[in-house]
Amino acid sequence: KAGVTQTPRYLIKTRGQQVTLSCSPISGHRSVSWYQQTPGQGLQFLFEYFSETQRNKGNFPGRFSGRQFSNSRSEMNVSTLELGDSALYLCASSFGTGKNEQFFGPGTRLTVL
Amino acid sequence: GDSVTQMEGPVTLSEEAFLTINCTYTATGYPSLFWYVQYPGEGLQLLLKATKADDKGSNKGFEATYRKETTSFHLEKGSVQVSDSAVYFCALTGIIQGAQKLVFGQGTRLTINP
Repeated sequence: KAGVTQTPRYLIKTRGQQVTLSCSPISGHRSVSWYQQTPGQGLQFLFEYFSETQRNKGNFPGRFSGRQFSNSRSEMNVSTLELGDSALYLCASSFGTGKNEQFFGPGTRLTVL
Repeated sequence: GDSVTQMEGPVTLSEEAFLTINCTYTATGYPSLFWYVQYPGEGLQLLLKATKADDKGSNKGFEATYRKETTSFHLEKGSVQVSDSAVYFCALTGIIQGAQKLVFGQGTRLTINP
């Protein structure tokens, strides 16, 4: 069974631009969660989607948004990029929500210059 | 809100040493507990989990026991290898702002020297 895939793996943008990251969950998984990982803040929850609906949202500004498609693939968008948005963005999928085990992708490394 | 506290790193050990990485948690209800490992340049991999009090999770020689009385889930391994060098994250399924989600500790970087 293929694991969680994320594209692109690496991305370099400049301040003020916007970016879209993609995540394909494990086949059959309907929940996708996004996390931001930085050296200073560690792993922080961004949001979770289940059956195309946002179920939970972390404490991030409205510049961070996402969506989920009918095939459970998810995209995350960051608008008006800031230097502080440089991070590893991790996507995780699970069969359901709540206590279900999450499987992580390799991440997208975003660098904002 | 729910939270996880891990021992601060980095931790450096010699090969075949005994490993303990402490993890304590604060949670309402009965969370599931996890240890994830992150190797350089990769995402997180689930190492082991426990879903109720007194459960012991184990995998690849690592063990952790869900201790409700001490709210702890310490990671142990009897004899570490160089290949165990990675960052280890303790996590729980907790309630943040009324919603259930995965809550991580800050991570502990482990380096094993040959």
